[in-house]
Amino acid sequence: QVQLVQSGAEVKKPGASVKVSCKASGYTFTGYYMHWVRQAPGQGLEWMGRINPNSGGTNYAQKFQGRVTMTRDTSISTAYMELSRLRSDDTAVYYCARVPYSSGWYGLLLDYWGQGTLVTVSS
Amino acid sequence: QSVLTQPPSASGTPGQRVTISCSGSSSNIGSNYVYWYQQLPGTAPKLLIYRNNQRPSGVPDRFSGSKSGTSASLAISGLRSEDEADYYCAAWDDSLSGPDVVFGGGTKLTVL
Repeated sequence: QVQLVQSGAEVKKPGASVKVSCKASGYTFTGYYMHWVRQAPGQGLEWMGRINPNSGGTNYAQKFQGRVTMTRDTSISTAYMELSRLRSDDTAVYYCARVPYSSGWYGLLLDYWGQGTLVTVSS
Repeated sequence: QSVLTQPPSASGTPGQRVTISCSGSSSNIGSNYVYWYQQLPGTAPKLLIYRNNQRPSGVPDRFSGSKSGTSASLAISGLRSEDEADYYCAAWDDSLSGPDVVFGGGTKLTVL
């Protein structure tokens, strides 16, 4: 069965970086975009960007340009999201979610989600 | 301030029909598909509607989506207690700075 298993909770100080992993299983990793979406406590969903695991190509949300880096390791079917220069308002649950290539460049069919990773930024 | 506008809350009694609106602009809803997600408390979001009005397998036909111009709606008929959740609309936005995905602020549905 399809599973996206994310790394565990992190506590970071302001100015540090965090790298969250998302290990995929049960499907062909290189056949689906991997998106990252975050949710601050009590707030709504916010899109951060996506990676094409086949090519490594990325599209980042304007808000996070210059601060976010999405990578992948196809040998272990794992996607990564690194956010740098952390601030207190980056405290959130970070989700990975896949979108099939068949849904097109503008596809947003986020059909499977990871369990979420809580990142807390505090001094 | 979300790019897509949703009412913060909605409510209904069991068996009723409830609709949740999602208002956008020509650069997002007006030119791209709308997607709806349901988020139960403490869980990851779940895809409810894709490409404006398509239901993934396993989603009951009590849930339906529609789009007209720069607005979209999610309708839930035969409301059930397990429908109590947060609902989000989403779409690609073709802004001048490049394509981005935008979400609505979410609507908390209460089943009375």
